This record gives sequence, structure tokens and C-alpha cells, in this order.
Amino acid sequence: KQEVTQIPAALSVPEGENLVLNCSFTDSAIYNLQWFRQDPGKGLTSLLLIQSSQREQTSGRLNASLDKSSGRSTLYIAASQPGDSATYLCAAQVTGGGNKLTFGTGTQLKVEL
Amino acid sequence: DGGITQSPKYLFRKEGQNVTLSCEQNLNHDAMYWYRQDPGQGLRLIYYSQIVNDFQKGDIAEGYSVSREKKESFPLTVTSAQKNPTAFYLCASRSSQGKYGYTFGSGTRLTVV
Repeated sequence: KQEVTQIPAALSVPEGENLVLNCSFTDSAIYNLQWFRQDPGKGLTSLLLIQSSQREQTSGRLNASLDKSSGRSTLYIAASQPGDSATYLCAAQVTGGGNKLTFGTGTQLKVEL
Repeated sequence: DGGITQSPKYLFRKEGQNVTLSCEQNLNHDAMYWYRQDPGQGLRLIYYSQIVNDFQKGDIAEGYSVSREKKESFPLTVTSAQKNPTAFYLCASRSSQGKYGYTFGSGTRLTVV
């Protein structure tokens, strides 16, 4: 059974700092890995989707990498801003059986002025 | 704009009552999913449907029921058999064409009163 872990559970950084969020998964037979952002009381907003055949994806100040062999993904946020404060979730999609997503418990990020 | 609409945003249920959460999508996605989110826990899959008139149980289906009579709609009923229904419920959809990720709705917060 796929298990997804995110470290750290919470992170507080000053504005302008570059930061890395970590995600690990136990089963390397994934279809893709998706990073989401969740603001308090809101739904999930997709940030980046990495296919199993890809190594990384970039969108603006965000860069996500995927290393299937080691069961790891990282989300890099450059020049963090207070508006980046949110919970970041990674989720691994497995092949077959409905292509279900398995989520980590998230990293709660606070960017301070 | 295409997306997923969940309603209501807030829902209050009395003990012993059944309630239905609505989920509608205009993305022409084949697959739809219901997840439950509790504080400190990752999202957990309740039910999913890959085609109309077919659905499968997820990891925590007990006390819930669904239907998929139309491609656009996937309502979730929380029955009186669900012992601890207070949670944030998220609906999602995914296209079966190509390697696309999930799109989520804005969620329904259910509280037992």
C-alpha cells in the first residue's frame, strides 16, 4: 500500500528566503506526482504535476522534482512571499485501480514579513 | 471557466439524519472522487467513479453512499450510519484522456449538531 510522508510538518521562514519542501513515497510504481496548495478552509489548488517519466516541472517561482528510484519529490519555492503562506500537499497517483491519489499530511508554511 | 462546484459550502446535520453533498463538474472528466479531510490527517478516499453508473468503495466508505447517473454529477450521501461525520469533504475529477492530474472543488464543511 502506497504511503506518502511530508517533512517538515510546519515551516516558518522570513520573506525572500528560498525553501524546499520534501515528500517521500514508498511505492515507486507511480503514474504521476502532484503538488497542491491549500489555504485555510479552502479546496486544493494544483501547483505542479510531474509525470512518472519526467524529472522536474517548473511554474514561475516553483520547481518540483521527482526521483522515483529513491521515492522522493521536492518542491522548491524561490524568493518566498507572505502570499505563499498555506499548506502544501503532495500526492502520488498509482496506476490502475481508479488511478487513486494517496496524500501526505502536508507542510504548513508561514512566510513572515 | 471549467471547474468543479461543490454545494453547500457549510452543512449542519442532526443526529440520525442523512444529508447529501453535491458535486458538479463541467470539465468533461470521466472519473470523479470524494475525499474526506480531518485535522492532522491526510485526505482519505471515500468513493470513486470512473464511468457513469459505476462506482467503487475507497478506504473509508462505511456510512456513505454515492450515485453516478450523469457524467457531470457525483453526489455523496452521509448516512446516519456514519459515526463521526464532522469533517471537510472534497470532490475531485480527473480526465481519462492523456496524463492529467486531479482538479478539486472548494469543499463542503459538514458539522453534526
